[in-house]
Amino acid sequence: DQQVKQNSPSLSVQEGRISILNCDYTNSMFDYFLWYKKYPAEGPTFLISISSIKDKNEDGRFTVFLNKSAKHLSLHIVPSQPGDSAVYFCAASALDGNKLVFGAGTILRVKS
Amino acid sequence: DAGVIQSPRHEVTEMGQEVTLRCKPISGHNSLFWYRQTMMRGLELLIYFNNNVPIDDSGMPEDRFSAKMPNASFSTLKIQPSEPRDSAVYFCASSLDRGNNSPLHFGNGTRLTVT
Repeated sequence: DQQVKQNSPSLSVQEGRISILNCDYTNSMFDYFLWYKKYPAEGPTFLISISSIKDKNEDGRFTVFLNKSAKHLSLHIVPSQPGDSAVYFCAASALDGNKLVFGAGTILRVKS
Repeated sequence: DAGVIQSPRHEVTEMGQEVTLRCKPISGHNSLFWYRQTMMRGLELLIYFNNNVPIDDSGMPEDRFSAKMPNASFSTLKIQPSEPRDSAVYFCASSLDRGNNSPLHFGNGTRLTVT
């Protein structure tokens, strides 16, 4: 039973346009959400996070939106750049925050 | 900051052999995690340690898998005997034990192939 789901295995976007990556979760105890980015042959690296007390968090070109009632979050990248091409993992945690549950990932390709 | 160091980067072995994956966490981090990445299931948490003590091993798939953390700077994940379905990329990650405000720092992974 996957508690964190990324239903789009891949996404292709033109350089300069917006990339929107989506994530759904089922566990209502999750209260902290993160996005990680992964390049080939490297480990995932932390990108941005959001607490359940907020509905939006912005960091430069990256914005994460949280809709708790829908148990849905999304990552917006504006404008998209070729260097953003990577696998993006959504992750969630509850209570102690030490145990992160990841989604299966979405491959983002930004075309120049 | 050397980051989380994993070895080997690649491991190819035959079914039935013992495999040992190694991890050195970031100095000062007191939580350590072992994840497995597969195409079908993405990143799965296998086990995590806090202050060298295993806290949650519910993700360890079978008794063939075992993990140890003998000290704050070293951990191993062992598979004995290995099977072809164990083929995956295994990641080690560490964090400061500050709950939600402490993102995981991942190593570059060990790609395991069991033939």
